[in-house]
Amino acid sequence: EPEVTQTPSHQVTQMGQEVILRCVPISNHLYFYWYRQILGQKVEFLVSFYNNEISEKSEIFDDQFSVERPDGSNFTLKIRSTKLEDSAMYFCASSDRGDTQYFGPGTRLTVL
Amino acid sequence: GDSVTQMEGPVTLSEEAFLTINCTYTATGYPSLFWYVQYPGEGLQLLLKATKADDKGSNKGFEATYRKETTSFHLEKGSVQVSDSAVYFCALTGAGGTSYGKLTFGQGTILTVHP
Repeated sequence: EPEVTQTPSHQVTQMGQEVILRCVPISNHLYFYWYRQILGQKVEFLVSFYNNEISEKSEIFDDQFSVERPDGSNFTLKIRSTKLEDSAMYFCASSDRGDTQYFGPGTRLTVL
Repeated sequence: GDSVTQMEGPVTLSEEAFLTINCTYTATGYPSLFWYVQYPGEGLQLLLKATKADDKGSNKGFEATYRKETTSFHLEKGSVQVSDSAVYFCALTGAGGTSYGKLTFGQGTILTVHP
């Protein structure tokens, strides 16, 4: 069964460094998403991406964040200058029609 | 804006007990409703969904019915197993327009099932 994959599974970085989280969505899907889950808190929407552009973003998704689909398979989330409060689990999801979303296993980001 | 409220956890049950996890929502129009499950150390897996009023979603013995009159989507299972121990999330997507399927999640309910 097709699945969403994410790399790395765990990323440790120093505050102020740039990180890129990578996702490979399900191959025929057209809608892509990033969410995050701070430990013990709700899963929060960050951004949705369709037709090579951002379709919606939350207030969390400020200028420090960017997304890109650099080729036909990868979907990346970049955090330009990480803060301590960016420590969280980051989930990528994809959907074929924008309704049911399928999630990857997540990347745990630890900012020291 | 849209919101989802789940019953407070954690929930601890014995094997074969009946499970209910309450979920209510606030949204305009007719959202689609979902239950996701997160097993220890894993990502979110879609458990079941319902896209219109009175629809019943079901999977792996779990069921939930979309009740528009009470804005609820309670999760039930008649006989839980130890392997059902996980965190359960209720979620919704916006009712069309330009929401592009953004999911709004509840806070999650931790379920622990003892033998």
